[in-house]
Amino acid sequence: DAGVTQSPTHLIKTRGQQVTLRCSPKSGHDTVSWYQQALGQGPQFIFQYYEEEERQRGNFPDRFSGHQFPNYSSELNVNALLLGDSALYLCASSLDTASSYNEQFFGPGTRLTVL
Amino acid sequence: AQSVSQHNHHVILSEAASLELGCNYSYGGTVNLFWYVQYPGQHLQLLLKYFSGDPLVKGIKGFEAEFIKSKFSFNLRKPSVQWSDTAEYFCAVNALSGAGSYQLTFGKGTKLSVIP
Repeated sequence: DAGVTQSPTHLIKTRGQQVTLRCSPKSGHDTVSWYQQALGQGPQFIFQYYEEEERQRGNFPDRFSGHQFPNYSSELNVNALLLGDSALYLCASSLDTASSYNEQFFGPGTRLTVL
Repeated sequence: AQSVSQHNHHVILSEAASLELGCNYSYGGTVNLFWYVQYPGQHLQLLLKYFSGDPLVKGIKGFEAEFIKSKFSFNLRKPSVQWSDTAEYFCAVNALSGAGSYQLTFGKGTKLSVIP
């Protein structure tokens, strides 16, 4: 049973560019959440996707957008990259969080460096 | 909105010492509480969780945590640490957000260094 997978592992971009990160959830999971983990910080919630729609969003600008596909996999897109977007981006999957009894399983992350 | 505070940024212990990492949260409703661990170069892993029932929960690798509702705390403990426990530890709260679903909020983490 494959866990949460993310691609690519590492990515280097320059300011102003756009980036797309990908996530495949754990088998049987239908909800995908994205987090940004800056160096020395805890993960910060970006947004969550369920049934191909953004269900809730953290305090991130519109430059951060996402998508969920019918197979529950997801993409995170960041436009007009800033130096401050350099971070580890984590994807987590779970069952529908309408129930509180969910547990999120995390992927290994994508390390994004913006130069 | 909920928030999580971890009191110690970096803790250094010798092997066999006892460990207690503090975690406090702010949220007035029902919460689920988690401790995650991130070993160097590895991804976040669940150490233990509290949903309901016995407030003393046991996790993997000899870790335990106690939920004290009156203090809004969920401190992590281990009686005797090993060098292999060197990692970063994150406390997290899963609580109902304004959007009507549950959102996971993390603390800033505590880095634990165990000296052989």
